[in-house]
Amino acid sequence: GQSLEQPSEVTAVEGAIVQINCTYQTSGFYGLSWYQQHDGGAPTFLSYNALDGLEETGRFSSFLSRSDSYGYLLLQELQMKDSASYFCAVSSLKAAGNKLTFGGGTRVLVKP
Amino acid sequence: NAGVTQTPKFQVLKTGQSMTLQCAQDMNHEYMSWYRQDPGMGLRLIHYSVGAGITDQGEVPNGYNVSRSTTEDFPLRLLSAAPSQTSVYFCASSYRYEGVYEQYFGPGTRLTVT
Repeated sequence: GQSLEQPSEVTAVEGAIVQINCTYQTSGFYGLSWYQQHDGGAPTFLSYNALDGLEETGRFSSFLSRSDSYGYLLLQELQMKDSASYFCAVSSLKAAGNKLTFGGGTRVLVKP
Repeated sequence: NAGVTQTPKFQVLKTGQSMTLQCAQDMNHEYMSWYRQDPGMGLRLIHYSVGAGITDQGEVPNGYNVSRSTTEDFPLRLLSAAPSQTSVYFCASSYRYEGVYEQYFGPGTRLTVT
């Protein structure tokens, strides 16, 4: 089967840096992606890592270590609008195609 | 482009009723999927499709049916609603299915079963 673990909640102040860790167990691993979801809204794609290393997209960066089955999302220069839930998700190969499995989500609360 | 659209936005059903949640996308995406999200939890995959005529089960398929007759539409049918199916349902699509990772989500359908 597949499993992903990430912290349930993180609190930080505006301007700070937050790192959300994600560890996973899966067969046929293809890549790790991250999504943001505001309360009452739909998830939106943030970033993706298929290879080891760091991917930077503006204030957000994502890291992957395939050998450690581990990744993280780094949120820099936190803003109030970054208060949301963040989900890691693994892509895995399956006979008829791929599927995306999500972790339970990390709720980030940004305080003034 | 409208992206991914879902109807209805809200629905209340009685136990035992059946209904179809509609999902459509206008991006010519091959890959489409249905998830449910219970309060405070992540998304769980119900069914997915890698193209017209091809569907497969996700991790929580029981009580749901899907079909994919066109690239654009991917309806989800609840056969006999149960209170345990109270949830928010999201449809998503992706332009590729090999290494799918960037999915575009619809606004969701909030379903309550009494």
